[in-house]
Amino acid sequence: QKEVEQDPGPLSVPEGAIVSLNCTYSNSAFQYFMWYRQYSRKGPELLMYTYSSGNKEDGRFTAQVDKSSKYISLFIRDSQPSDSATYLCAMIPTGSARQLTFGSGTQLTVLP
Amino acid sequence: EAGVAQSPRYKIIEKRQSVAFWCNPISGHATLYWYQQILGQGPKLLIQFQNNGVVDDSQLPKDRFSAERLKGVDSTLKIQPAKLEDSAVYLCASSSLKGPSDRGYEQYFGPGTRLTVT
Repeated sequence: QKEVEQDPGPLSVPEGAIVSLNCTYSNSAFQYFMWYRQYSRKGPELLMYTYSSGNKEDGRFTAQVDKSSKYISLFIRDSQPSDSATYLCAMIPTGSARQLTFGSGTQLTVLP
Repeated sequence: EAGVAQSPRYKIIEKRQSVAFWCNPISGHATLYWYQQILGQGPKLLIQFQNNGVVDDSQLPKDRFSAERLKGVDSTLKIQPAKLEDSAVYLCASSSLKGPSDRGYEQYFGPGTRLTVT
C-alpha cells in the first residue's frame, strides 16, 4: 500500500465549476500538507501549504486537512481553463528532514 | 530571483550508456533535492543534500546512480549504465533553511530533464 493515495483522474469540468481534489494517507506522522500544481513539461509549483488539521483559503483555492480521517482536499472555485494542470498532494512527517512524499497526481482539464 | 536551473532539458540515450544532469539551485538555498518522476506518477525523492553533505539517499539505486554537490551549490546526477526503466523526468528542487511557518518548507522545482532510454 502506498503511503499517499490520489485518484489519477483524468478529471474534466466546464469553466466555472467547483473542483474537488482529494488524497488519503496512511502515515499518521504526516504533519505538513501541500498541494503542488504542475503544468505540462514544467516542474511542480507550490499552491497551498497547511499545517495539521483545518482549512486554509487563498483566493479561489481552499485546502482542507482532516487528520482524524487521514484525508486532505483541495477545492477550486470558479475554475478557469488556466487551472488545467496536474495537481499533486504532498506531505512531510513531523521530525523529518523535510522530505516530501507525493501522491501520483490528478490531471485536471477545465473546458472553456 | 532566478529559479532553479537544469540542463539539459531533454536527453535520449541507448541502454547501457551513461548520462549526467546538472542543477543550479536558487542562490542561498542550502538544501537541494533530486527527484525521479515517471510518467503518470508523482515525484520520488532520490537524494537530498544539505550544503554539500548527503541527508538522505535511501532511494537512490547506488549501483548505477551517483550524485554530488560540490561547494554546496551546483549538483550533478549521473546514471551509468542506464536501463530502460530509467526513462523519466529528473527534477531538481531547492529550499532554504527557514522554519515550517509561512511556507518555510517550500521546495522550488526546476523544469526537469526528460530522459528517454531506448
